[in-house]
Amino acid sequence: QSVLTQPPSASGTPGQRVTISCSGSSSNIGRNTVNWYQQLPGTAPKLLIYSNDQRPSGVPDRFSGSKSGTSASLAISGLQSGDEADYYCAAWDDSRNVVFGGGTKLTVL
Amino acid sequence: QVQLQESGPGLVKPSETLSLTCAVSGYSISSSYYWGWIRQPPGKGLEWIGNIYHSGNTNYNPSLKSRVTISIDTSQNQFSLNLSSVTAADTAVYYCARSRSYLPFDFWGQGTLVTVSS
Repeated sequence: QSVLTQPPSASGTPGQRVTISCSGSSSNIGRNTVNWYQQLPGTAPKLLIYSNDQRPSGVPDRFSGSKSGTSASLAISGLQSGDEADYYCAAWDDSRNVVFGGGTKLTVL
Repeated sequence: QVQLQESGPGLVKPSETLSLTCAVSGYSISSSYYWGWIRQPPGKGLEWIGNIYHSGNTNYNPSLKSRVTISIDTSQNQFSLNLSSVTAADTAVYYCARSRSYLPFDFWGQGTLVTVSS
């Protein structure tokens, strides 16, 4: 049982826009920023979005993040087949622990 | 470029202690940053195990705290994970990674699979 709640799956067709939600509480998302990771099959997670809505260098602007209260969202526009991956949200909590969401498997139809 | 590389036994017997090391290159771990361990059971999601600060201060996942020890060796520029009394439920890919306080893990190792089996 993950501390942060994500839908187990999401899907879209090429070119579409999809969003993935992440729900937490006042002790984690409500107090600290949210980060998103992309994990392609058989590889280590890669930082996709940090501090709610910031993109590391090299991440396309098709990926965007937002946060409101104790929830956050990742949006992917112009969906591509290469975006098929698992996506995880994460945040620090009040005790300096790191909590992850259970992950969302994105399928490009 | 910062690089992290996990190493250790790929097979551990039940009730024994799992020990892994993360070698860091391209950055001195004594300078700053948190150094963490994250694991992923086969077909499942990510689970944070714990962090160690360059000063040696640690934070552990409450669900694993009684069995986990993370240590740092600045002379070798590496940090280590010990997980005691392992069971099959501890079978996972173990990743080491770097982060700053309240910021994300920005560099990750490639991961190493540890199987708990007799």
